[in-house]
Amino acid sequence: KQEVTQIPAALSVPEGENLVLNCSFTDSAIYNLQWFRQDPGKGLTSLLLIQSSQREQTSGRLNASLDKSSGRSTLYIAASQPGDSATYLCAAYSGTYKYIFGTGTRLKVLA
Amino acid sequence: EPEVTQTPSHQVTQMGQEVILRCVPISNHLYFYWYRQILGQKVEFLVSFYNNEISEKSEIFDDQFSVERPDGSNFTLKIRSTKLEDSAMYFCASSGATSGRNEQFFGPGTRLTVL
Repeated sequence: KQEVTQIPAALSVPEGENLVLNCSFTDSAIYNLQWFRQDPGKGLTSLLLIQSSQREQTSGRLNASLDKSSGRSTLYIAASQPGDSATYLCAAYSGTYKYIFGTGTRLKVLA
Repeated sequence: EPEVTQTPSHQVTQMGQEVILRCVPISNHLYFYWYRQILGQKVEFLVSFYNNEISEKSEIFDDQFSVERPDGSNFTLKIRSTKLEDSAMYFCASSGATSGRNEQFFGPGTRLTVL
């Protein structure tokens, strides 16, 4: 049974810092892994999708990597801004018709 | 850019009442999903739907829940007799045809409040 965990649960950093969010999954037989952003009380905004055959994906200041053998993905945010403050979720798709979501990392970037 | 839409954005109901949450998936997608997120908790899978039948359902998706694609464009989640613990954000998602490369596109969610 796939389980997804995210560390840390919460993170507070000063503006401008580079930071890394971690996502671990127990079943390495995933088809893809997706990172989302969620603002308080709002929906899920897709940030990056990494297929199982890929090692990383980049979009602007965001870079996500995937290491299936170790069951890990990281989301790297460069030069963080107060507008990046949100909860970041990772979700693993194992081909069993559903995403398994992590518990999220609540990020606060201080101006 | 095509997107998944959901209505209503917020639904308030009394315990024991039936509710129907509506979703319009992306038009050429074939797989449809419902997830829910209780306040402060993780997003949980409820059900997946393909070719007019349920592909998989979680243990949350009991006899009180049902899904339907009534007219080829809408995808609905019905809760027959709501309970207080059904209060949550409900997300609809859809994905395309190619197995193994399913990026799921999520709607903005419906916040259900059961009083």
